[in-house]
Amino acid sequence: DQQVKQNSPSLSVQEGRISILNCDYTNSMFDYFLWYKKYPAEGPTFLISISSIKDKNEDGRFTVFLNKSAKHLSLHIVPSQPGDSAVYFCAASGLSGNTGKLIFGQGTTLQVKP
Amino acid sequence: KAGVTQTPRYLIKTRGQQVTLSCSPISGHRSVSWYQQTPGQGLQFLFEYFSETQRNKGNFPGRFSGRQFSNSRSEMNVSTLELGDSALYLCASGLVGGPSSYNEQFFGPGTRLTVL
Repeated sequence: DQQVKQNSPSLSVQEGRISILNCDYTNSMFDYFLWYKKYPAEGPTFLISISSIKDKNEDGRFTVFLNKSAKHLSLHIVPSQPGDSAVYFCAASGLSGNTGKLIFGQGTTLQVKP
Repeated sequence: KAGVTQTPRYLIKTRGQQVTLSCSPISGHRSVSWYQQTPGQGLQFLFEYFSETQRNKGNFPGRFSGRQFSNSRSEMNVSTLELGDSALYLCASGLVGGPSSYNEQFFGPGTRLTVL
């Protein structure tokens, strides 16, 4: 039973355009969500997080949107850069994030073309 | 601040052996979690230690165990290695316990374990 799903295995966008990565979850106990970027053979790098008390959080080029009623979140990257090419994972936890237990999606490979 | 460090970075073992992996969290972080990444299963939670106590456990057999020391450093042990244990083992540390905006988990570079 996959509680966090990233239904798009891959995404390709042109440099300078917007990248939108999507994530769905099924467990209504999740109330804290994170996005990570990962290169092969390296650990995930934290990008941005959002608590369920918010519906949007921004950090530079990265914005995360949360739709609790739809159990859906998305990561927007604007503008996209070739260096953004990597695998992106969304992750969820409960207890307002006061736990080290994260449930990850399967990842979406983003390719940004120059 | 130094990031999460893991040693060794690469390890080759044979079936039946045991292995110990080490993780040093970011200074001040009391929560240390371990994850296994494989191509087929993705990133899966193994367990979390907080103040030297295991407080969360994933769905892995008892061959996987861990511990945390008083300085928050953590070790993970896998006994009686199987071929399927070949994976990237990742350690993450977090502040945890504060406002939700500070509850991010930061990952180390991982230990690549190959079981032959």
